[in-house]
Amino acid sequence: GESVGLHLPTLSVQEGDNSIINCAYSNSASDYFIWYKQESGKGPQFIIDIRSNMDKRQGQRVTVLLNKTVKHLSLQIAATQPGDSAVYFCAEILYSSASKIIFGSGTRLSIRP
Amino acid sequence: DAMVIQNPRYQVTQFGKPVTLSCSQTLNHNVMYWYQQKSSQAPKLLFHYYDKDFNNEADTPDNFQSRRPNTSFCFLDIRSPGLGDTAMYLCATSRDAGAGRDTEAFFGQGTRLTVV
Repeated sequence: GESVGLHLPTLSVQEGDNSIINCAYSNSASDYFIWYKQESGKGPQFIIDIRSNMDKRQGQRVTVLLNKTVKHLSLQIAATQPGDSAVYFCAEILYSSASKIIFGSGTRLSIRP
Repeated sequence: DAMVIQNPRYQVTQFGKPVTLSCSQTLNHNVMYWYQQKSSQAPKLLFHYYDKDFNNEADTPDNFQSRRPNTSFCFLDIRSPGLGDTAMYLCATSRDAGAGRDTEAFFGQGTRLTVV
């Protein structure tokens, strides 16, 4: 079946520390994965992506890791800042399904001063 | 400049009164999506267009319909809104994923629909 978020776990992190947000995806045939950040009252915003033939990709202050064996994605945010407070979603894409983008369950990131 | 524009930002409608939400894009992307997002939940795909081809999700209620008159515009029609349809409705676009190209989706700011 397809993953649909039904609850929203919260991760609380001290400002300046690193954050690790995890996501389990549902379809082993997924070709491409994206992490989105969603602030209150706004649409999801692209953070970083990774193709299924990769296991790691780095951006500015963010790193995505992909473990296809256990269908697991993680997003690492270095030196977490107050502006990182948001809900983070992973999404998986199947090219064979006309570019269907399915969101996984989200995680709310809360920053402690 | 906004690339995916949703109107209105906020909409209140009466139970059972048809409502239409609109989405326009300046990206010339060929794929457009409609998602429903309820409080503290992930966006749930309702349907999407790949060019003119309409792809409906199996669990999308018949009450929800969509139109895409041209590349730039897409509409979400809710024929008889129920209280349970109160949610944020998100429109997104992406470019062709053919030949394995990446498919980042760009989202609008959403329309917050309240059914009373």
